Amino acid sequence: ETGVTQTPRHLVMGMTNKKSLKCEQHLGHNAMYWYKQSAKKPLELMFVYNFKEQTENNSVPSRFSPECPNSSHLFLHLHTLQPEDSALYLCASSQELGSGRLEQFFGPGTRLTVL
Amino acid sequence: DAKTTQPNSMESNEEEPVHLPCNHSTISGTDYIHWYRQLPSQGPEYVIHGLTSNVNNRMASLAIAEDRKSSTLILHRATLRDAAVYYCILRGPGANNLFFGTGTRLTVIP
Repeated sequence: ETGVTQTPRHLVMGMTNKKSLKCEQHLGHNAMYWYKQSAKKPLELMFVYNFKEQTENNSVPSRFSPECPNSSHLFLHLHTLQPEDSALYLCASSQELGSGRLEQFFGPGTRLTVL
Repeated sequence: DAKTTQPNSMESNEEEPVHLPCNHSTISGTDYIHWYRQLPSQGPEYVIHGLTSNVNNRMASLAIAEDRKSSTLILHRATLRDAAVYYCILRGPGANNLFFGTGTRLTVIP
């Protein structure tokens, strides 16, 4: 248990569906992250939020839309996805941004399959 | 971010020590050395980090070379639950993300 939960753990969706991934952290952290892990590829950062404000968008296609209503919750809204978007989507949190010494705590991930 | 180099895979016998190497010849003076691991079907898990001195915690030890161009993660007694991909990551001030690379896949043999 890392203190970061993600739901759902598994999701299958069609290319025309709209779905959302949810992440919640119970650690009192101020920074939250979305990462994508495709098969046989390293983790890629997608978005970074600090105190609910988006600070980084790593050239992610607009079919992925993040939302951070408060420092404890992070969503990733999905629409019109492609089969190549099938991957493990990981949420992480850290106490703050910009400090090289702070660790990130990861959730278990959502395994997404796009048909 | 400065890059790290790790062997693709290593094997260890159960209950024996494991030394996982990492080279980071372009490390800057303010970069911390972090280690994470990812067990099958799970998210990455923080293991340990250090700056200049060797570090110990309940999971592992981190030995950092005097010139900081390499480091070694030490698992003192490997168990089957330690089978995972281990990532060595450099993190400097202002770095928001973790650059994971491909890591070292550790296989523990019973």
